[in-house]
Amino acid sequence: DQQVKQNSPSLSVQEGRISILNCDYTNSMFDYFLWYKKYPAEGPTFLISISSIKDKNEDGRFTVFLNKSAKHLSLHIVPSQPGDSAVYFCAASETGTASKLTFGTGTRLQVTL
Amino acid sequence: EAGVVQSPRYKIIEKKQPVAFWCNPISGHNTLYWYRQNLGQGPELLIRYENEEAVDDSQLPKDRFSAERLKGVDSTLKIQPAELGDSAVYLCASSFSSTNTGELFFGEGSRLTVL
Repeated sequence: DQQVKQNSPSLSVQEGRISILNCDYTNSMFDYFLWYKKYPAEGPTFLISISSIKDKNEDGRFTVFLNKSAKHLSLHIVPSQPGDSAVYFCAASETGTASKLTFGTGTRLQVTL
Repeated sequence: EAGVVQSPRYKIIEKKQPVAFWCNPISGHNTLYWYRQNLGQGPELLIRYENEEAVDDSQLPKDRFSAERLKGVDSTLKIQPAELGDSAVYLCASSFSSTNTGELFFGEGSRLTVL
């Protein structure tokens, strides 16, 4: 049972445009959500997070939106840069902390010139 | 500041052989995690340590997997005997505490191939 779903395995975006990565979840107990970025042969690195008490969190070019009623979150990257090309994982937790994360399967983002 | 260090980076073994992975977390991080990432999947938590205590090992296949963190610093994850389905990347992560919303810091992972 995949509790965190990233239905788009890959996404290609032109440099300078907006990248939108989507994530859906089924467990209504999830109350804390994170995005991780992973380059090949490296471990995932934390990107941005959002608590369920918020519907938006912004950090520079990265914004995460949370729609609790739809059990959906999205990561917006504006403007997209070639260095953003990586696999992006959505993760969720029931504990309000990062102590036990359930990850999605990832979306590979390719930012083209 | 050094990040999370894992070794070996790559390991190829035949099924039924034992294998061990080592992790040294970021200095001062009390919480250590072992995740397993199968091909095309996201990481899945195997075990979480608070200092030297395993506080969540519900996802660890205890018949063949074992882990230890004797002095509350570095940790070893062992598989004995390995099966074909154990082929995956084993990721170690650490954080200062598991009770805050702080990020996890992951190592580069140990890629296991079981033949």
